[in-house]
Amino acid sequence: NAGVMQNPRHLVRRRGQEARLRCSPMKGHSHVYWYRQLPEEGLKFMVYLQKENIIDESGMPKERFSAEFPKEGPSILRIQQVVRGDSAAYFCASFSGGVSNTGELFFGEGSRLTVL
Amino acid sequence: KNEVEQSPQNLTAQEGEFITINCSYSVGISALHWLQQHPGGGIVSLFMLSSGKKKHGRLIATINIQEKHSSLHITASHPRDSAVYICAVHIIQGAQKLVFGQGTRLTINP
Repeated sequence: NAGVMQNPRHLVRRRGQEARLRCSPMKGHSHVYWYRQLPEEGLKFMVYLQKENIIDESGMPKERFSAEFPKEGPSILRIQQVVRGDSAAYFCASFSGGVSNTGELFFGEGSRLTVL
Repeated sequence: KNEVEQSPQNLTAQEGEFITINCSYSVGISALHWLQQHPGGGIVSLFMLSSGKKKHGRLIATINIQEKHSSLHITASHPRDSAVYICAVHIIQGAQKLVFGQGTRLTINP
């Protein structure tokens, strides 16, 4: 079991380009969270997804950001028309449980986005 | 006011000291996690608690649901324990959103 896999680990984009960050959860996990960590700041919730469903996207900016977790394949966090303020580390975490069985969280190593 | 508050924000101690990090929350929760983030950025889950107390090696975590408070203790602290320790709670309403405290930066000097 390779754990939670995120790629790319580092991504450099120019302003206005698109960034796509991928997260493959632990085997058997159907719940994924995305978080953002700005330099020298704490983790901020962005979105909570189950397979094919967005459960809570209250932490995600309404514009330019989108997330999906298809039936097959990794979860993807997509940032369109990136700006310098999007530079951050984006972490993904997965767990197995549902509403009443939260289970242990497993984190990916993060994807570090730099916008030039 | 944040839903999850940690204290202290920064803590420096000498090797061997007993360390306590506190987490208070203001919402109903189904579970609480203690996480460790090392300078390289990787995050590791230390404990998940919904009641009582858990122990793993030199780490002890407790939670008091009535008082909405949890503590993380480190006995016989060591420089390799230096990291940011983060408290995170699953909010019980709606969709089990996970909310983080701001973290406690711990430095253990030899």
